[in-house]
Amino acid sequence: QVHLVESGGGVVQPGRSLRLSCAASGFTVSSYAMQWVRQAPGKGLEWVAVISHDGSNKYYADSVKGRFTISRDISKNTLYLQMNSLRAEDTAVYFCAREADTSLVIDYWGQGTLVTVSS
Amino acid sequence: QSALTQPRSVSGSPGQSVTISCTGTSSDVGGYKYVSWYQQHPGKAPKLVIYDVNKRPSGVPDRFSGSKSGNTASLTISGLQADDEADYYCYSYAGSYTFVFGGGTKLTVL
Repeated sequence: QVHLVESGGGVVQPGRSLRLSCAASGFTVSSYAMQWVRQAPGKGLEWVAVISHDGSNKYYADSVKGRFTISRDISKNTLYLQMNSLRAEDTAVYFCAREADTSLVIDYWGQGTLVTVSS
Repeated sequence: QSALTQPRSVSGSPGQSVTISCTGTSSDVGGYKYVSWYQQHPGKAPKLVIYDVNKRPSGVPDRFSGSKSGNTASLTISGLQADDEADYYCYSYAGSYTFVFGGGTKLTVL
């Protein structure tokens, strides 16, 4: 059974850094592309980043490019999102998601972790 | 990476059908078969209801159907039920291994 559990959210001051983790179970992250998606309070979903199944390719939304880094640790079966130079507009619930192996679609989601950027 | 355009809200009575549109460009919706739809209830994670324009994942009732014409994709929900009341988001591949969501549509079952 596929499970994704995010952690690492919290309150952080503007300009500071935070690292989110996503522990996967029921599958191996080395076999699937993985994504991060966020949702600001009361707003819609926004695609953030993707890492390819072999880890060789990483792509980002323009809004986070140069500030966020997606990575994974195969030994821990865990996905990460390193967020630097945080801004108030980065405040959101961050979802970890698995991309299906047969199409470019997200088939499983975590429950999300809330990041609040505020002084 | 502009968000795809969806109506902010739609509504229908139980048993009726509703259609939600999702308009993009030839660089996303119009250019690829990778358009999907997600249902999100308040406080919950999104749930996949349609992928590859018109395919239904296992467990999703055939009341949910998808289509695409040019740069606009559509989700149709027939035989509306109370539990269908939720937010719905379209999602499309946008080339160069990037993706884009629609702004979301709130479905109200009257």
